[in-house]
Amino acid sequence: ETGVTQTPRHLVMGMTNKKSLKCEQHLGHNAMYWYKQSAKKPLELMFVYNFKEQTENNSVPSRFSPECPNSSHLFLHLHTLQPEDSALYLCASSQVYNEQFFGPGTRLTVL
Amino acid sequence: GESVGLHLPTLSVQEGDNSIINCAYSNSASDYFIWYKQESGKGPQFIIDIRSNMDKRQGQRVTVLLNKTVKHLSLQIAATQPGDSAVYFCAEMNYGGATNKLIFGTGTLLAVQP
Repeated sequence: ETGVTQTPRHLVMGMTNKKSLKCEQHLGHNAMYWYKQSAKKPLELMFVYNFKEQTENNSVPSRFSPECPNSSHLFLHLHTLQPEDSALYLCASSQVYNEQFFGPGTRLTVL
Repeated sequence: GESVGLHLPTLSVQEGDNSIINCAYSNSASDYFIWYKQESGKGPQFIIDIRSNMDKRQGQRVTVLLNKTVKHLSLQIAATQPGDSAVYFCAEMNYGGATNKLIFGTGTLLAVQP
């Protein structure tokens, strides 16, 4: 295990649902990240939080809303998603400017 | 623009052979590079990193080579084992730059034949 946990591991939701993904890191890191991984595409960075402050929003649609209440927890709130949002959502943490450690991901399916 | 790409999307090797996975990068400002391994159903796992002040770095059965002149990175795996079968990603960063984001390549699938 990498010290980064994600829940749930699998999620199926309709386009009108609201759900949240949770990430927790037990490594004492000061930066956390959300990535989207679709089939046959590179990892897409979505958001970066350094010291609980959002420092990067990689042109992510507003139907994805991140929240970082403290340096150990990161959430991704989902609402009115589209089928093309189905993917593996990965959380990572690091010390700023160092290697990132990834969680196992949440496999999201939007019906 | 910035890009990190891999020369070979799939690499098939025999168990016990050495594997070499290649990666090209285009951002001259990148000075920190990481190799990740992703097994099916798991998140990417850190393997080894290298900073631009080095040309070579060795780990346990793995070696990363950096050629800044041609902007090329490679991962060598010695005595490849079935457990090495996975997708391998290279990633680059401008260490200490305006952002600490990593840029990932598309990945190479390593298939180890018994």
